[in-house]
Amino acid sequence: SAVISQKPSRDICQRGTSLTIQCQVDSQVTMMFWYRQQPGQSLTLIATANQGSEATYESGFVIDKFPISRPNLTFSTLTVSNMSPEDSSIYLCSARTGGENYGYTFGSGTRLTVV
Amino acid sequence: KNQVEQSPQSLIILEGKNCTLQCNYTVSPFSNLRWYKQDTGRGPVSLTIMTFSENTKSNGRYTATLDADTKQSSLHITASQLSDSASYICVVAIYGQNFVFGPGTRLSVLP
Repeated sequence: SAVISQKPSRDICQRGTSLTIQCQVDSQVTMMFWYRQQPGQSLTLIATANQGSEATYESGFVIDKFPISRPNLTFSTLTVSNMSPEDSSIYLCSARTGGENYGYTFGSGTRLTVV
Repeated sequence: KNQVEQSPQSLIILEGKNCTLQCNYTVSPFSNLRWYKQDTGRGPVSLTIMTFSENTKSNGRYTATLDADTKQSSLHITASQLSDSASYICVVAIYGQNFVFGPGTRLSVLP
């Protein structure tokens, strides 16, 4: 299955600033996704990153706050903009791995703390 | 409504003991079911994947079962180790679409 490199693994940021998280997949994948996971909670889908078009956002998430890039089939970025302490969370990217028994492979996560 | 429920919410066991985690789903059309292990602060890692025609799948000390008729799955951990402490997430794939994540079971293995 695909391997995803995600960075940074963690960061501490000042409120009002922005952080860009990168995910690199070792093979071409059609679908990439970005999740947020707040402490003790399960994963919440932020958006689907589409190659060559705008990302598709889930309810409660907007492009101005979480702009996403997907310049090719192996790479995507998520930016957390104008951060506040409420944005402190783990952010995860994942890629849909193809084949008959498709599933998700996840990056190692970015632990973000906003102070 | 497509939903995945897991029980228990959390579990504490002693090292060396066995345990079983449960997953019930109401997802249709069903494609496959995966169990993931997520260490604290890390991304989930796939343990097993099963399609509707499979009822048991093992990966070392982890054994997953699937009953597609009752829409239930279990993950059995044998001879638990301290490193098994993690969240275990049941994820069900909707055929041709996306996934539905369960809330996870938080397992703590104590020495």
